[in-house]
Amino acid sequence: EIVLTQSPGTLSLSPGDRATLSCWASQTVSNNYLAWYQQKPGQAPRLLIYDASTRATGIPDRFSGSGSGTDFTLTISRLEPGDSAVYYCQQYSSSFRTFGQGTKVEIK
Amino acid sequence: QVQLQESGPGLVKPSETLSLSCTVSGGSVNYYYWNWIRQPPGKRLEWIGNVYYTGSTIYNPSLKSRVTISVDTSKNEVSLKMTSVTAADTAVYFCARDRRWLANWGQGVLVTVSS
Repeated sequence: EIVLTQSPGTLSLSPGDRATLSCWASQTVSNNYLAWYQQKPGQAPRLLIYDASTRATGIPDRFSGSGSGTDFTLTISRLEPGDSAVYYCQQYSSSFRTFGQGTKVEIK
Repeated sequence: QVQLQESGPGLVKPSETLSLSCTVSGGSVNYYYWNWIRQPPGKRLEWIGNVYYTGSTIYNPSLKSRVTISVDTSKNEVSLKMTSVTAADTAVYFCARDRRWLANWGQGVLVTVSS
């Protein structure tokens, strides 16, 4: 099982700030098969990034993903109030998919 | 645009079997993997397992003994059965289409395990 650990647990930032979310894997995520999702209360997760750095259809370029191996990052530049949500990373390099525990982004 | 809709009882008694369906519209179940994921209230997402349209399955080892996921290509539907449920199985259950990443999700259905 590939265990994903996200940090920080909570980020509290102001509109216009830059958010940097981290996701560490307990073993190499081959082919950079890692995705990021945004989940707002009462909603299903929404795909933001796949293959570590490719934005999904309709996702603004304020969202960017980077990293490889065991160390991945989601960056949200120029935070907007609507970005308030929990963000999860997920690996699909193993047939046993796993998710991180999530990072909550709060907008002051 | 493919749409997924979960359905099933919102309340299940302890020790009984949870049964959910995921109806796929706007696309075919063929040639994709279909996943079930759950989220206990206030907690993280947990992957339950998936099924390929051919019927082959992969399960989370921690749930494997209690879970069956199946696909009905004639109905364009995916199903989840979980036996011997307890309060710890109370969660929102989501189905999602797998293109390796999970691009399409249903809205989820809350299942409460309680007598």
